[in-house]
Amino acid sequence: NAGVTQTPKFRVLKTGQSMTLLCAQDMNHEYMYWYRQDPGMGLRLIHYSVGEGTTAKGEVPDGYNVSRLKKQNFLLGLESAAPSQTSVYFCASSLLGGVIAEAFFGQGTRLTVV
Amino acid sequence: GESVGLHLPTLSVQEGDNSIINCAYSNSASDYFIWYKQESGKGPQFIIDIRSNMDKRQGQRVTVLLNKTVKHLSLQIAATQPGDSAVYFCAVDSGGYNKLIFGAGTRLAVHP
Repeated sequence: NAGVTQTPKFRVLKTGQSMTLLCAQDMNHEYMYWYRQDPGMGLRLIHYSVGEGTTAKGEVPDGYNVSRLKKQNFLLGLESAAPSQTSVYFCASSLLGGVIAEAFFGQGTRLTVV
Repeated sequence: GESVGLHLPTLSVQEGDNSIINCAYSNSASDYFIWYKQESGKGPQFIIDIRSNMDKRQGQRVTVLLNKTVKHLSLQIAATQPGDSAVYFCAVDSGGYNKLIFGAGTRLAVHP
């Protein structure tokens, strides 16, 4: 079982470029999340999804878009990257969210915007 | 807005000692609390959780204590081992759907 897989693991972007981070889970989980982690801070929720075809905003959604076209995949897009988006991005999934359940995290994507 | 804070950014302990990591939260309506462990270069890993209808829960070498009166959460690790060296985060569920609010983390360093 691979669990939660994020691609790519590292990326360097120039300001204004766009990119998509892919998250895939093979646990048939309903809920998926994108977090960012900055030095000295905990993880902050960007967007989340409670099922295929649904998305919702988290704490820090500005500058990001997401899509959940397939249950197993959750994509995070940056349309016009800014240096403030330099961070480590983590995807997570959980079986259910309304019934609280353990969230499984991917290994992270380290993004640098120059 | 809701906040979650940890009392100490770093904690150094001797191997074999017990470790206590503390966390405070602001929302008295919070219902679910989780501790995560994050090793260098990896994603957070679930350690233990507790609901607001409990004040203590034990796992293997770990215990979580919840004091709702003062909105305080702690993680106790018994007989700390070098493999316990990591950053520990407490997280609080903010309104369901596993929308977790994370604290900044405490780095636990275990010395032989």
